[in-house]
Amino acid sequence: SQKIEQNSEALNIQEGKTATLTCNYTNYSPAYLQWYRQDPGRGPVFLLLIRENEKEKRKERLKVTFDTTLKQSLFHITASQPADSATYLCAPNTGFQKLVFGTGTRLLVSP
Amino acid sequence: GAGVSQSPSNKVTEKGKDVELRCDPISGHTALYWYRQRLGQGLEFLIYFQGNSAPDKSGLPSDRFSAERTGESVSTLTIQRTQQEDSAVYLCASRPGGGRENYGYTFGSGTRLTVV
Repeated sequence: SQKIEQNSEALNIQEGKTATLTCNYTNYSPAYLQWYRQDPGRGPVFLLLIRENEKEKRKERLKVTFDTTLKQSLFHITASQPADSATYLCAPNTGFQKLVFGTGTRLLVSP
Repeated sequence: GAGVSQSPSNKVTEKGKDVELRCDPISGHTALYWYRQRLGQGLEFLIYFQGNSAPDKSGLPSDRFSAERTGESVSTLTIQRTQQEDSAVYLCASRPGGGRENYGYTFGSGTRLTVV
């Protein structure tokens, strides 16, 4: 069956370091994959989209990679700040019109 | 509107009652989605609208759940005879649609439904 796996354990890092979050998927061949940020009590907020023919995408301090052979996406936040603390969701598309979301990884950045 | 608006933000209902949840998408967004998020869990797809039609309603958990969309804008998710397992945050999202599939979703803040 189709599955998306993100680390269920929280990732704790110190301010200024690079955070790396992993998303693995099985039995999908997504044309694109999106990353979202979710804060407690709020809806997810779109961050980045990467297409299957793109290896890497950057936006300010964010970088996403997409390896369709490994069926994996990595999400990096460089020079992390306490304000980056949130849950980050991976979402590959399935079918033509729909995203399926992973359960997310909680990131905690301590000063 | 500027963002996706959902109402009510909180709803407490008695088991067995019907509830209606409303979503106002961003103006001009033809694609609209409903997701459910139980406490501490991921987002669960419910239904997708393109315009006023629903080409994918595969995530609706039972026939107690229904949704409609009118005027290519407002959508209503109705849950009949609510059960305690329906307690969750119901999230609505929209995006431009119309072939522009690579746009991110814009989510509302959700309706927190508690069935007592």
